[in-house]
Amino acid sequence: QSALTQTASVSGSPGQSITISCTGTSSDVGGYNSVSWYQQHPGKAPKVLIYEVSNRPSGVSYRFSGSKSGNTASLTISGLQAEDEADYYCSSYTSSSNVVFGGGTKLTVL
Amino acid sequence: EVQLLESGGGLVQPGGSLRLSCAASGFTFSSYAMSWVRQAPGKGLEWVSTISGSGGSTYNADSVKGRFTISRDNSKNTLYLQMNSLTAEDTAVYYCAKMYGITQIDYWGQGALVTVSS
Repeated sequence: QSALTQTASVSGSPGQSITISCTGTSSDVGGYNSVSWYQQHPGKAPKVLIYEVSNRPSGVSYRFSGSKSGNTASLTISGLQAEDEADYYCSSYTSSSNVVFGGGTKLTVL
Repeated sequence: EVQLLESGGGLVQPGGSLRLSCAASGFTFSSYAMSWVRQAPGKGLEWVSTISGSGGSTYNADSVKGRFTISRDNSKNTLYLQMNSLTAEDTAVYYCAKMYGITQIDYWGQGALVTVSS
């Protein structure tokens, strides 16, 4: 199972919005609404930001939103803040009954 | 509050074995699938294994099939990962994760470092 494709890095200024994409196939992202997004700060465990494409767990800021079109899922962060600087990963359930992750995107807040 | 606490990590020689444990609390353990996910130093996340709530179904990444075995003891609220025939490529932080359904992770442990080196 190949990893989902994410842009390696993205940057933005405080207050701006950025979008991170996650591209898979019809056997994973395109075939299921089981897409999640995670935030990971250096040396820390990942934290769930989005599940089932666009749902936010309680306690996650409204500034994080998710969507999907075809085989590509997206995470949008609005009103960028310095604390958003982190690595972001997507994941999807697959037709092989596996879970596959994206390669990760490093967000830099300028 | 959901808590997942991994233990059993450490240094092991190539070809050796190690068993990780994950003590779970704050939810009805037997009702949820659980997974192991690993992260090699400086690399991304890699799904390793998933086990159903009853323990009757398991799923493994190709990279660990035949070498790693996921299991659980619902009477002890504990998840395990038995790792055999370890190689340097297995060096990683191993995270225990609670599943939402069987398809997504909703909680992560803090991780246990496994280093395979002579």
